[in-house]
Amino acid sequence: GEDVEQSLFLSVREGDSSVINCTYTDSSSTYLYWYKQEPGAGLQLLTYIFSNMDMKQDQRLTVLLNKKDKHLSLRIADTQTGDSAIYFCAESPGYSSASKIIFGSGTRLSIRP
Amino acid sequence: EADIYQTPRYLVIGTGKKITLECSQTMGHDKMYWYQQDPGMELHLIHYSYGVNSTEKGDLSSESTVSRIRTEHFPLTLESARPSHTSQYLCASSESGISPLHFGNGTRLTVT
Repeated sequence: GEDVEQSLFLSVREGDSSVINCTYTDSSSTYLYWYKQEPGAGLQLLTYIFSNMDMKQDQRLTVLLNKKDKHLSLRIADTQTGDSAIYFCAESPGYSSASKIIFGSGTRLSIRP
Repeated sequence: EADIYQTPRYLVIGTGKKITLECSQTMGHDKMYWYQQDPGMELHLIHYSYGVNSTEKGDLSSESTVSRIRTEHFPLTLESARPSHTSQYLCASSESGISPLHFGNGTRLTVT
């Protein structure tokens, strides 16, 4: 079945760039998403990319999609303490209205001073 | 601002009690979902609905039940709470199966 994988932890120094990686298995994915979850809260949609795009940039966030390798990454420029959170990669497999979004296990990003 | 609301935010309850977690959305979304998440852990889909009078069990077996009598409302009920039900419960909605999910802030349930 479909699967989405992420590394569990990432630690970066404040001011550096963070790169969070994700791999997925379903080649028919339509949209791929990045969500952010702060402690004790729900998930907040950060950005998403359509499967026919290679890159999307939104202020400090850059999403890169390598469809051939089924690899998605989220780059956060100038990482700040407020970026500390768990980041979930997700994909929507296929075009069916019955499709369900599949989430990775989340990457916990911690910021060092 | 939140367009999907969950109440209560926190709930501590004794074993054997019946509880209902509320979820409402004002976006007119047909699709709604319940996820269970232990702190800092992955999400597990326990129930979903594609519209009024439609409910399905998710990927993780759960003793909870749901109902969808109105588009905007998707409550989750536990008939007899147990300590193993202690977790965070997240409600979400989407316009379609491939649209982004909008999440509520969750209900953190503790069963003593």
